[in-house]
Amino acid sequence: GESVGLHLPTLSVQEGDNSIINCAYSNSASDYFIWYKQESGKGPQFIIDIRSNMDKRQGQRVTVLLNKTVKHLSLQIAATQPGDSAVYFCAENIGDDKIIFGKGTRLHILP
Amino acid sequence: NAGVTQTPKFQVLKTGQSMTLQCAQDMNHEYMSWYRQDPGMGLRLIHYSVGAGITDQGEVPNGYNVSRSTTEDFPLRLLSAAPSQTSVYFCAISAARGEWYEQYFGPGTRLTVT
Repeated sequence: GESVGLHLPTLSVQEGDNSIINCAYSNSASDYFIWYKQESGKGPQFIIDIRSNMDKRQGQRVTVLLNKTVKHLSLQIAATQPGDSAVYFCAENIGDDKIIFGKGTRLHILP
Repeated sequence: NAGVTQTPKFQVLKTGQSMTLQCAQDMNHEYMSWYRQDPGMGLRLIHYSVGAGITDQGEVPNGYNVSRSTTEDFPLRLLSAAPSQTSVYFCAISAARGEWYEQYFGPGTRLTVT
C-alpha cells in the first residue's frame, strides 16, 4: 500500500465519537480552503470547502470551521466510522488559483 | 478519480533519464495541476494551469516542465531524473461551479529514480 503519512501526527478516536482535526494555515490573504481525505494507495478525495467570508460550513456528517483571526481551520466528523480512517489534509488557495496543501493528520479509529 | 487518468501507474528510471508523466481528463475542467507526495509529507504543488496555453510554477517546479496545448491533457516532463524526484505524482483537475469548485485527483504515478 501507499507509504504516505508515515510520520504524520495521529489522532485516535473511538468509533462512534466525533473527530476534530485541526489545521493552521499560512497566508492571511487566502480566500478559499479545502479539506481532503486520502486513503492508502489512493489520491486525495475532496471532502468539503469553505470561503474566507464564512465561519462555518456543513456537509454530510462533516463540518468545517474557519477562524481567520488565528488562521485556523478545523474539520469535525460526526459519529466517526471505520471508513473514516485515512490521512486528512487541509489546503488553501493562496491566490491565482494556487492551492497549497498543509501537513496531514492520520485519523485512526479505535473499535 | 472520476474523469482523471494518469499513466503510467509505476515507473523506474535511472538517474539522468527523461520521461513524461501523462494526465488526461474528460470533464472539460479548466484548471489542472501536478503535485508530488513524499513519504511523511503532504502534497507539494509542482506546476499548474488555469487553461489551455497557460501554465505557472508551483512550490517545487525545478527539474520539471509542463505544457497545456489542449484542455484535456497536461503532461509533466522530467528533464533529467534525479533520485530526489522519487515520489508519487498526482494530477488534479478543478473547475469553478458558481462560487465553489469541483475537484478531482488522479490515482497517481509512483516514480522511482535509481
